Amino acid sequence: DIQMTQSPSTLSASVGDRVTITCRASQRISSWLAWYQQKPGKAPKLLIFQASTLESGVPSRFSGSGSGTEFTLTISSLQPDDFATYYCQQYNSYSESFGPGTKVEIK
Amino acid sequence: QVQLVESGGGVVQPGRSLRISCAVSGFTFNTYAMHWVRQAPGKGLEWVGVIAYDGSSRFYADSVKGRFTISRDNAKNTLYLQMDSLRTEDTAVYYCARGLPYESSGYLTLWGQGTLVTVSS
Repeated sequence: DIQMTQSPSTLSASVGDRVTITCRASQRISSWLAWYQQKPGKAPKLLIFQASTLESGVPSRFSGSGSGTEFTLTISSLQPDDFATYYCQQYNSYSESFGPGTKVEIK
Repeated sequence: QVQLVESGGGVVQPGRSLRISCAVSGFTFNTYAMHWVRQAPGKGLEWVGVIAYDGSSRFYADSVKGRFTISRDNAKNTLYLQMDSLRTEDTAVYYCARGLPYESSGYLTLWGQGTLVTVSS
């Protein structure tokens, strides 16, 4: 099975900051990676798929990059609505898996 | 309106069974793979399994393989998760989620609100 890791586990930032979250896969997954945002008590929301394609309706301050085993999610200018937990997910195989999550907190 | 609504969660004793459901509306259910994802209290997301758009194939996480069964009724636009031999570590919010058209492996485009399953004596 493919294992996913994320760093950092927690990130403290201020409104307007540029934020980068890293996701690594234990084996190559091409660009079969998605990013989700989850707020407390709510279901996750798809942000990005195929490593860098923005889901419809998601603000352009979110971007994704990477391929193979290393990927990044970047928020170019953090907004109050962006404080949440972010998860990566690989879908390279028929045994999909999520990263452990990165919580973005207010500094 | 596109909607996924889970139901059937509750408290169940270890070793017992429970079936939860996900009623779907607003899209052509029988063309999409459907997934179950769970989240233990205060923890991250864990993929549980997927069923093909036509029910012809199913894949499961190792943690539930042999105990959980995913099924669907395309005539009723409903997805099911049969959970047998439940363990305390199965306690979680269970989400159903829409995958991709005609493809069993993929990202999850829509999610339900979740239903809480608590396994406790």
